[in-house]
Amino acid sequence: EPEVTQTPSHQVTQMGQEVILRCVPISNHLYFYWYRQILGQKVEFLVSFYNNEISEKSEIFDDQFSVERPDGSNFTLKIRSTKLEDSAMYFCASRRGVTGANVLTFGAGSRLTVL
Amino acid sequence: AQSVTQLGSHVSVSEGALVLLRCNYSSSVPPYLFWYVQYPNQGLQLLLKYTTGATLVKGINGFEAEFKKSETSFHLTKPSAHMSDAAEYFCAVSVIKAAGNKLTFGGGTRVLVKP
Repeated sequence: EPEVTQTPSHQVTQMGQEVILRCVPISNHLYFYWYRQILGQKVEFLVSFYNNEISEKSEIFDDQFSVERPDGSNFTLKIRSTKLEDSAMYFCASRRGVTGANVLTFGAGSRLTVL
Repeated sequence: AQSVTQLGSHVSVSEGALVLLRCNYSSSVPPYLFWYVQYPNQGLQLLLKYTTGATLVKGINGFEAEFKKSETSFHLTKPSAHMSDAAEYFCAVSVIKAAGNKLTFGGGTRVLVKP
């Protein structure tokens, strides 16, 4: 069964450093998402991406965050200058289309620890 | 805007007993509703979904959920709990938008199964 693949599975970084989290969505999917889950809290929407542009973003997704799809297969989330509160599990997801039959498929997540 | 409330952040059941996880949603338009499961140190896996049609939907691992519009509920049940059902369960709502239609998650319910 097709999977969404995320790398790295775990990254530890110092506060203020830049981090790039990578995702390879399912190949024929058109819509891409990043979510995050702070330890013990709910899964929160960060951003959705379609047709090479952001279609929606949450208030969490401020100027420190950016996304891109540089080569038609990878979908990356960049945090420019990490803060302690960015420590979380980040999930990438993709979807073929927007109809109800097309559910989000999630990756296994990338755990980010900011020290 | 849509929202999801899951009643009870923790539920403890005995093996073989009924599992009932409560979910209420708020949406200004007819929603799509989902239950996801998260096993320890893993990503989010779709259990079942409601889009249109039959209001009782069956999912994987013996779980089912019933959409009740009058109660704005989508409770998840399993007649007989198994030790392998120990996990965190997330209810989520989505509405069709021009591009992206994000999922909005509830706070999650952690299920503990006692032998």
